[in-house]
Amino acid sequence: DAGVTQSPTHLIKTRGQQVTLRCSPKSGHDTVSWYQQALGQGPQFIFQYYEEEERQRGNFPDRFSGHQFPNYSSELNVNALLLGDSALYLCASSSDRYTEAFFGQGTRLTVV
Amino acid sequence: QKEVEQNSGPLSVPEGAIASLNCTYSDRVSQSFFWYRQYSGKSPELIMSIYSNGDKEDGRFTAQLNKASQYVSLLIRDSQPSDSATYLCAVSNIQGAQKLVFGQGTRLTINP
Repeated sequence: DAGVTQSPTHLIKTRGQQVTLRCSPKSGHDTVSWYQQALGQGPQFIFQYYEEEERQRGNFPDRFSGHQFPNYSSELNVNALLLGDSALYLCASSSDRYTEAFFGQGTRLTVV
Repeated sequence: QKEVEQNSGPLSVPEGAIASLNCTYSDRVSQSFFWYRQYSGKSPELIMSIYSNGDKEDGRFTAQLNKASQYVSLLIRDSQPSDSATYLCAVSNIQGAQKLVFGQGTRLTINP
């Protein structure tokens, strides 16, 4: 049983570019949440997708957008990248039937 | 006031001793509480969840919750060098891990 998988694992982008990160949830899970973790900080909630819609959103600008597909996988898109967007981006999957969230291995994004 | 507060540490504990990690939260309606372990450069790994007042034990780990005091803790008995990591406290204000608010984490070092 595959856990939560994310791709790519590492990425280097230039300021102003756009990036797409991908996540496949754990088998049996239908909810995907995205978090941003800056160095030395706890993860910060970006948004959550359920039934292909954004259900909740944290305090992030509209440059951050996402999508969920019918197979429950999800994408995180960030436009007009800033140096401050450099972070570890984490995907967590969960299910309304369960109460725990499990994280993928993360994508390390570096903006130069 | 931060929503979830942890002492950033580092907390240094000798091998075989009990490590005690503490977390306070500000939202009185919080319902779900989680402890994640994060090794350097890796993603958070769920180690304990607790939803009602009292203690919950799982192997060498015990989570303690006091909703009246808005306090949750994690005890690690018989600490091992492999327990050296950052421990993240996460809180959700609804049933389940639908939107997690994290503390900044406590860095724990177990000294052989």
